[in-house]
Amino acid sequence: DGGITQSPKYLFRKEGQNVTLSCEQNLNHDAMYWYRQDPGQGLRLIYYSQIVNDFQKGDIAEGYSVSREKKESFPLTVTSAQKNPTAFYLCASSYRTNQPQHFGDGTRLSIL
Amino acid sequence: DQQVKQNSPSLSVQEGRISILNCDYTNSMFDYFLWYKKYPAEGPTFLISISSIKDKNEDGRFTVFLNKSAKHLSLHIVPSQPGDSAVYFCAASESGGATNKLIFGTGTLLAVQP
Repeated sequence: DGGITQSPKYLFRKEGQNVTLSCEQNLNHDAMYWYRQDPGQGLRLIYYSQIVNDFQKGDIAEGYSVSREKKESFPLTVTSAQKNPTAFYLCASSYRTNQPQHFGDGTRLSIL
Repeated sequence: DQQVKQNSPSLSVQEGRISILNCDYTNSMFDYFLWYKKYPAEGPTFLISISSIKDKNEDGRFTVFLNKSAKHLSLHIVPSQPGDSAVYFCAASESGGATNKLIFGTGTLLAVQP
Protein backbone atom coordinates (compact mmCIF):
# COMPACT_ATOMS: atom_id res chain seq x y z
CA ASP A 1 0.00 0.00 0.00
CA GLY A 2 1.70 3.18 -1.20
CA GLY A 3 1.89 6.28 0.87
CA ILE A 4 3.87 8.72 2.95
CA THR A 5 4.89 7.82 6.48
CA GLN A 6 5.86 10.43 9.01
CA SER A 7 7.26 9.54 12.38
CA PRO A 8 6.90 10.07 15.21
CA LYS A 9 3.34 11.37 15.43
CA TYR A 10 4.20 13.41 18.54
CA LEU A 11 7.61 14.73 19.48
CA PHE A 12 8.87 16.75 22.40
CA ARG A 13 12.00 18.85 22.38
CA LYS A 14 13.96 20.41 25.18
CA GLU A 15 15.34 23.91 24.82
CA GLY A 16 18.63 23.91 22.90
CA GLN A 17 18.09 20.46 21.43
CA ASN A 18 18.01 19.43 17.78
CA VAL A 19 15.34 16.96 16.71
CA THR A 20 14.82 15.09 13.45
CA LEU A 21 11.45 14.33 11.90
CA SER A 22 11.26 11.37 9.58
CA CYS A 23 9.46 11.24 6.22
CA GLU A 24 9.44 8.17 4.00
CA GLN A 25 7.47 7.59 0.80
CA ASN A 26 7.03 4.51 -1.37
CA LEU A 27 5.15 6.27 -4.16
CA ASN A 28 8.24 6.57 -6.36
CA HIS A 29 7.81 10.35 -6.32
CA ASP A 30 10.73 12.51 -7.32
CA ALA A 31 9.75 15.64 -5.38
CA MET A 32 9.33 15.95 -1.62
CA TYR A 33 8.33 18.87 0.57
CA TRP A 34 8.18 19.96 4.20
CA TYR A 35 5.46 22.30 5.46
CA ARG A 36 4.66 23.81 8.78
CA GLN A 37 1.12 24.55 9.98
CA ASP A 38 0.36 26.95 12.82
CA PRO A 39 -3.12 27.58 14.26
CA GLY A 40 -5.20 29.80 12.00
CA GLN A 41 -2.61 29.76 9.24
CA GLY A 42 -2.19 27.89 6.02
CA LEU A 43 0.67 25.57 5.28
CA ARG A 44 4.01 27.28 4.83
CA LEU A 45 6.84 25.70 2.86
CA ILE A 46 10.05 25.03 4.77
CA TYR A 47 12.19 23.08 2.28
CA TYR A 48 11.66 21.11 -0.88
CA SER A 49 13.62 18.66 -2.97
CA GLN A 50 12.99 17.87 -6.61
CA ILE A 51 15.60 15.15 -6.92
CA VAL A 52 18.00 13.12 -4.84
CA ASN A 53 20.94 15.07 -3.44
CA ASP A 54 19.30 18.39 -4.20
CA PHE A 55 17.07 20.59 -2.07
CA GLN A 56 16.00 24.22 -1.91
CA LYS A 57 14.87 26.60 0.81
CA GLY A 58 11.21 27.42 1.02
CA ASP A 59 9.63 30.47 2.59
CA ILE A 60 10.57 29.77 6.23
CA ALA A 61 13.81 27.73 6.14
CA GLU A 62 15.63 29.50 8.96
CA GLY A 63 16.35 27.15 11.86
CA TYR A 64 15.72 24.02 9.80
CA SER A 65 17.90 21.65 7.78
CA VAL A 66 17.17 18.71 5.46
CA SER A 67 18.92 15.99 3.51
CA ARG A 68 17.88 13.92 0.49
CA GLU A 69 20.27 11.01 0.23
CA LYS A 70 17.62 8.57 -0.99
CA LYS A 71 14.59 9.08 -3.21
CA GLU A 72 12.32 7.63 -0.55
CA SER A 73 13.48 9.69 2.40
CA PHE A 74 13.49 13.40 3.26
CA PRO A 75 14.22 13.95 6.98
CA LEU A 76 13.80 17.40 8.53
CA THR A 77 15.97 18.57 11.42
CA VAL A 78 14.60 21.30 13.65
CA THR A 79 17.66 22.95 15.11
CA SER A 80 18.07 24.94 18.31
CA ALA A 81 18.23 28.04 16.10
CA GLN A 82 14.50 27.69 15.41
CA LYS A 83 13.07 29.93 18.12
CA ASN A 84 9.44 28.94 17.75
CA PRO A 85 9.43 25.27 16.78
CA THR A 86 6.07 24.30 18.27
CA ALA A 87 3.89 23.45 15.27
CA PHE A 88 2.37 20.69 13.17
CA TYR A 89 4.84 19.52 10.52
CA LEU A 90 3.68 17.97 7.27
CA CYS A 91 5.69 16.14 4.65
CA ALA A 92 4.44 15.81 1.08
CA SER A 93 5.56 14.34 -2.21
CA SER A 94 4.62 14.56 -5.85
CA TYR A 95 5.56 12.64 -8.96
CA ARG A 96 6.53 15.72 -10.91
CA THR A 97 5.59 19.34 -11.27
CA ASN A 98 1.96 20.20 -11.94
CA GLN A 99 0.86 17.10 -10.10
CA PRO A 100 -1.01 17.12 -6.78
CA GLN A 101 1.08 16.71 -3.69
CA HIS A 102 0.24 13.85 -1.36
CA PHE A 103 0.69 14.37 2.35
CA GLY A 104 1.67 12.30 5.35
CA ASP A 105 -0.30 12.47 8.59
CA GLY A 106 2.08 14.92 10.21
CA THR A 107 4.25 15.23 13.32
CA ARG A 108 3.27 17.52 16.16
CA LEU A 109 6.33 19.03 17.81
CA SER A 110 6.14 20.58 21.25
CA ILE A 111 8.71 22.22 23.51
CA LEU A 112 9.20 20.95 27.04
CA ASP B 1 1.35 39.43 1.54
CA GLN B 2 -1.12 36.60 1.32
CA GLN B 3 -1.40 35.46 -2.29
CA VAL B 4 -4.18 32.95 -1.62
CA LYS B 5 -7.03 33.99 0.64
CA GLN B 6 -9.93 32.15 2.15
CA ASN B 7 -11.91 34.88 3.82
CA SER B 8 -14.44 32.66 5.56
CA PRO B 9 -12.85 30.87 8.53
CA SER B 10 -15.92 28.69 8.97
CA LEU B 11 -19.13 27.59 7.28
CA SER B 12 -22.12 25.65 8.61
CA VAL B 13 -24.47 23.80 6.26
CA GLN B 14 -27.38 21.41 6.67
CA GLU B 15 -26.94 17.85 5.48
CA GLY B 16 -28.18 17.43 1.91
CA ARG B 17 -27.74 21.10 1.03
CA ILE B 18 -24.98 22.67 -1.04
CA SER B 19 -21.70 23.79 0.52
CA ILE B 20 -19.83 26.56 -1.29
CA LEU B 21 -16.28 27.32 -0.22
CA ASN B 22 -14.54 30.33 -1.70
CA CYS B 23 -10.96 31.25 -2.44
CA ASP B 24 -9.35 34.37 -3.93
CA TYR B 25 -5.86 34.81 -5.28
CA THR B 26 -3.77 37.80 -6.23
CA ASN B 27 -0.97 36.37 -8.37
CA SER B 28 -1.98 36.36 -12.04
CA MET B 29 0.79 33.84 -12.77
CA PHE B 30 -1.07 31.11 -10.89
CA ASP B 31 -2.58 28.68 -13.37
CA TYR B 32 -3.12 25.50 -11.40
CA PHE B 33 -5.45 25.29 -8.42
CA LEU B 34 -6.19 22.54 -5.96
CA TRP B 35 -8.53 21.84 -3.06
CA TYR B 36 -7.51 19.75 -0.08
CA LYS B 37 -9.57 18.41 2.79
CA LYS B 38 -8.05 18.02 6.24
CA TYR B 39 -9.28 16.26 9.36
CA PRO B 40 -7.73 17.11 12.75
CA ALA B 41 -4.32 15.53 13.41
CA GLU B 42 -4.12 14.19 9.84
CA GLY B 43 -2.44 15.36 6.68
CA PRO B 44 -4.44 17.09 3.94
CA THR B 45 -6.07 14.86 1.34
CA PHE B 46 -6.20 15.97 -2.27
CA LEU B 47 -9.78 16.48 -3.47
CA ILE B 48 -9.87 18.10 -6.87
CA SER B 49 -7.84 20.38 -9.09
CA ILE B 50 -8.38 22.70 -12.03
CA SER B 51 -6.09 24.18 -14.62
CA SER B 52 -6.58 27.73 -15.87
CA ILE B 53 -7.55 26.50 -19.33
CA LYS B 54 -10.82 25.31 -17.80
CA ASP B 55 -13.50 27.11 -15.82
CA LYS B 56 -15.08 24.03 -14.28
CA ASN B 57 -14.03 20.59 -13.14
CA GLU B 58 -16.34 18.02 -11.64
CA ASP B 59 -15.69 14.85 -9.66
CA GLY B 60 -18.72 13.22 -8.13
CA ARG B 61 -20.21 15.49 -5.50
CA PHE B 62 -17.34 17.98 -5.84
CA THR B 63 -17.15 20.73 -8.46
CA VAL B 64 -14.55 23.45 -8.67
CA PHE B 65 -15.26 26.66 -10.56
CA LEU B 66 -12.58 29.07 -11.70
CA ASN B 67 -13.19 32.71 -12.61
CA LYS B 68 -9.87 33.96 -13.92
CA SER B 69 -10.95 37.53 -14.48
CA ALA B 70 -12.03 37.80 -10.85
CA LYS B 71 -9.13 35.67 -9.61
CA HIS B 72 -11.63 33.59 -7.73
CA LEU B 73 -12.33 29.91 -7.34
CA SER B 74 -14.97 28.03 -5.46
CA LEU B 75 -15.62 24.46 -4.37
CA HIS B 76 -19.19 23.20 -4.46
CA ILE B 77 -20.17 20.08 -2.54
CA VAL B 78 -23.59 18.69 -3.41
CA PRO B 79 -25.20 17.13 -1.47
CA SER B 80 -23.27 17.85 1.70
CA GLN B 81 -22.79 14.96 4.12
CA PRO B 82 -21.72 14.94 7.78
CA GLY B 83 -18.49 13.17 6.77
CA ASP B 84 -17.59 16.25 4.74
CA SER B 85 -17.02 18.16 7.99
CA ALA B 86 -13.35 19.15 7.88
CA VAL B 87 -11.04 22.05 7.09
CA TYR B 88 -10.78 22.79 3.38
CA PHE B 89 -7.66 24.43 1.96
CA CYS B 90 -7.30 25.88 -1.48
CA ALA B 91 -3.85 26.05 -3.01
CA ALA B 92 -2.37 27.57 -6.15
CA SER B 93 0.79 27.23 -8.18
CA GLU B 94 2.45 28.23 -11.42
CA SER B 95 2.48 25.07 -13.49
CA GLY B 96 5.34 26.38 -15.55
CA GLY B 97 7.38 27.00 -12.44
CA ALA B 98 10.28 24.73 -11.64
CA THR B 99 9.24 23.78 -8.17
CA ASN B 100 5.53 22.96 -8.12
CA LYS B 101 5.48 25.21 -5.10
CA LEU B 102 1.99 25.36 -3.68
CA ILE B 103 0.72 28.46 -1.94
CA PHE B 104 -2.03 27.60 0.54
CA GLY B 105 -4.91 29.61 1.89
CA THR B 106 -5.63 29.64 5.62
CA GLY B 107 -8.50 27.17 5.36
CA THR B 108 -12.26 27.10 5.93
CA LEU B 109 -13.78 24.87 8.57
CA LEU B 110 -16.92 23.25 7.16
CA ALA B 111 -19.48 21.83 9.58
CA VAL B 112 -22.28 19.79 8.04
CA GLN B 113 -25.18 19.48 10.46
CA PRO B 114 -27.23 16.25 10.38
